[in-house]
Amino acid sequence: NAGVTQTPKFRVLKTGQSMTLLCAQDMNHEYMYWYRQDPGMGLRLIHYSVGEGTTAKGEVPDGYNVSRLKKQNFLLGLESAAPSQTSVYFCASSANLQGYTEAFFGQGTRLTVV
Amino acid sequence: GNSVTQMEGPVTLSEEAFLTINCTYTATGYPSLFWYVQYPGEGLQLLLKATKADDKGSNKGFEATYRKETTSFHLEKGSVQVSDSAVYFCALSARGGSEKLVFGKGMKLTVNP
Repeated sequence: NAGVTQTPKFRVLKTGQSMTLLCAQDMNHEYMYWYRQDPGMGLRLIHYSVGEGTTAKGEVPDGYNVSRLKKQNFLLGLESAAPSQTSVYFCASSANLQGYTEAFFGQGTRLTVV
Repeated sequence: GNSVTQMEGPVTLSEEAFLTINCTYTATGYPSLFWYVQYPGEGLQLLLKATKADDKGSNKGFEATYRKETTSFHLEKGSVQVSDSAVYFCALSARGGSEKLVFGKGMKLTVNP
């Protein structure tokens, strides 16, 4: 049972480059999220989705775009990477937005922007 | 807005010591409360949860009680093990408002043999 899978696990980008992080879940969850984790900051929500074809902004959306073309996939894009986007990115999914049920997390993507 | 304040550490304990990690919250409505744990190199996983006042969540020897009067959800374990070394996050999900999970900043725990 794969759960939530993120690719890639590690990436180094040069400033100004673009990339897409892929999140896939096999639990038929409606809700998916992208967080970033920085030292001393905890987890901050970037964007989230309440279902296929929908997306919404979270706490720190600037510099990121997302798409949810298929229910099982949630893509996070960086159009022009900046050093401030160096972070560990986590994708999560849950059966409902209200959090009554467990949110499942991927293992993370460590991104360094130089 | 909704927020979570927790002990940030880092904290180092000896094996079999007693652990308390304080967590207080501010929320509109009636939130559900969670503790997540992150082991080295891994994503977060749910440790325990409580969905209404006076509920006690428990798992792997950890416990936390939802205290509405003090808006708290402190995590406790009577005897920690080396394998409990991890980062612990308190989180809430508020009903009737912004239902997204809101996390505290996390606390790193190291348990020495």
